[in-house]
Amino acid sequence: EADIYQTPRYLVIGTGKKITLECSQTMGHDKMYWYQQDPGMELHLIHYSYGVNSTEKGDLSSESTVSRIRTEHFPLTLESARPSHTSQYLCASSRGQGFYGYTFGSGTRLTVV
Amino acid sequence: GESVGLHLPTLSVQEGDNSIINCAYSNSASDYFIWYKQESGKGPQFIIDIRSNMDKRQGQRVTVLLNKTVKHLSLQIAATQPGDSAVYFCAENTGTASKLTFGTGTRLQVTL
Repeated sequence: EADIYQTPRYLVIGTGKKITLECSQTMGHDKMYWYQQDPGMELHLIHYSYGVNSTEKGDLSSESTVSRIRTEHFPLTLESARPSHTSQYLCASSRGQGFYGYTFGSGTRLTVV
Repeated sequence: GESVGLHLPTLSVQEGDNSIINCAYSNSASDYFIWYKQESGKGPQFIIDIRSNMDKRQGQRVTVLLNKTVKHLSLQIAATQPGDSAVYFCAENTGTASKLTFGTGTRLQVTL
């Protein structure tokens, strides 16, 4: 069982609302990532962090922002949700030394109406 | 730019047969490759990985083959079961940045 948790699992929200997607991991991993995935499609990296107070934008431009104040917590925020933000958002983490792949959370499916 | 792609979007196999899922990558600097399985409504789940200094790695019912000459990666699943039905992604890590680049994905359908 993966020790990385995302909440909520599903979210339907109106246009213009501010939302925060939560991601927490209990593995002590330094590196954390946010990917965006449309149904049946590939995963696109939107944000990543190599440790506390470190955040970087990913390969896919996103209007969302992230913060990393604690090692275990990597929330993603959308200040004003739009229908184009409708997607699945996947959080992942990996160990700090070397590279060993990711552990993924179950994802948050966001629908903006 | 660099890309990781899959040859077939959907693969249908009979229960008990072996499955082979293929993946092409274009970045010769990639040094780590990984296969994930994603079931409907879930996050990707690690299957098996391989580093560029190897050409084959075996797990339980799965084998990954890496051919660096033609930049090709494959996942072989022995005695495919209904529980293997999912979308399979290959991904690569291109060196210094600890980021994975994912391919499009192949849907594996297991028929009875």
